[in-house]
Amino acid sequence: NAGVTQTPKFRVLKTGQSMTLLCAQDMNHEYMYWYRQDPGMGLRLIHYSVGEGTTAKGEVPDGYNVSRLKKQNFLLGLESAAPSQTSVYFCASTDRENQPQHFGDGTRLSIL
Amino acid sequence: GQNIDQPTEMTATEGAIVQINCTYQTSGFNGLFWYQQHAGEAPTFLSYNVLDGLEEKGRFSSFLSRSKGYSYLLLKELQMKDSASYLCAVLDSNYQLIWGAGTKLIIKP
Repeated sequence: NAGVTQTPKFRVLKTGQSMTLLCAQDMNHEYMYWYRQDPGMGLRLIHYSVGEGTTAKGEVPDGYNVSRLKKQNFLLGLESAAPSQTSVYFCASTDRENQPQHFGDGTRLSIL
Repeated sequence: GQNIDQPTEMTATEGAIVQINCTYQTSGFNGLFWYQQHAGEAPTFLSYNVLDGLEEKGRFSSFLSRSKGYSYLLLKELQMKDSASYLCAVLDSNYQLIWGAGTKLIIKP
């Protein structure tokens, strides 16, 4: 009963490096989301997907790219990491927009 | 702009009752969610309100007034394990969740 799984759980990068965060869900959900969570702020939506092969920009998409080639996977890429991207990243999924979102355990990312 | 306001921090005593308020101004409204988030963990769903009134679920209840742009989460018979952040989120007209910054609840014995 895995739910939403995020890998890796922790990562330290140097400025300018690139990396991909993986989110996998086993609930056959259509909707998937990537958020970032920073101290003193609410969760902010980076990108989301309403189904396999679709992606859309959220509130803070700059510096990130996403892909949803398979329904169960949603990848978040950082093209050229910057210290401002130091954050905790959460992936979430749901079967309908007005249903609760299920969250992964998060990826703690530090950019030096 | 869209805005969700919650108190930053609250303190309560084990066994007592606490009410966490949330006010919102959003472009449209398709429901309000409450989530619980323990430190270092993922948010977990507590309640969903789309119509005015009180929804009760065990020790937790959530109230909504759409005309006032206001909700509260009521926690009864507080336990130490209730120490966590409580996040209010509103589903706007585009079905995007707008999140408050969360209320950190500290429970003292």
